Amino acid sequence: EAQVTQNPRYLITVTGKKLTVTCSQNMNHEYMSWYRQDPGLGLRQIYYSMNVEVTDKGDVPEGYKVSRKEKRNFPLILESPSPNQTSLYFCASSSPGGAASGSLDEQYFGPGTRLTVT
Amino acid sequence: SQKIEQNSEALNIQEGKTATLTCNYTNYSPAYLQWYRQDPGRGPVFLLLIRENEKEKRKERLKVTFDTTLKQSLFHITASQPADSATYLCALARNFNKFYFGSGTKLNVKP
Repeated sequence: EAQVTQNPRYLITVTGKKLTVTCSQNMNHEYMSWYRQDPGLGLRQIYYSMNVEVTDKGDVPEGYKVSRKEKRNFPLILESPSPNQTSLYFCASSSPGGAASGSLDEQYFGPGTRLTVT
Repeated sequence: SQKIEQNSEALNIQEGKTATLTCNYTNYSPAYLQWYRQDPGRGPVFLLLIRENEKEKRKERLKVTFDTTLKQSLFHITASQPADSATYLCALARNFNKFYFGSGTKLNVKP
């Protein structure tokens, strides 16, 4: 079954304690991305990656790190979490829609990780 | 950065009617635009994509339009059903791979 998995699904942690949220996809997608979703603000892109070892900042990258060492995995790292990073996080993957399309195909989203930083 | 506006108020309609959701944007025109459905506690699910040189796309009961002059996309669900009740998100793609999402419009379809 084609899917994007995230772990953990729920996490409560304390300020300053480093954490990693893992994301893995089994569709051989080149593109992967992280979003956070907050009430009234919608989904905001944190980082994205077009392929292994290629990552770029999204709209809200501050306080986050990512790495793309393997095509299937795209972990999100919070080196020193703060309460304002309490949010619902989604990972997504996709592929280019073909040479002439000028777009990515649909994004497949994971089930989400609810993070609380106290 | 790009600003995306979707009606924050819920849209309540009767089963069988056509639901029309609006997505307005400011600043630059996106390369393409996507619409997603999100159910409570779940990740968004892709519905339709429309490119800047396309005026309209259809898929079964769904239709999306894209007006770059008005800086607006409309999403239509015809013959709506209670199962269509969800939050609908629009996402604008800057260049090829950087996305800006609206906060979504909640649709309630009453039997």
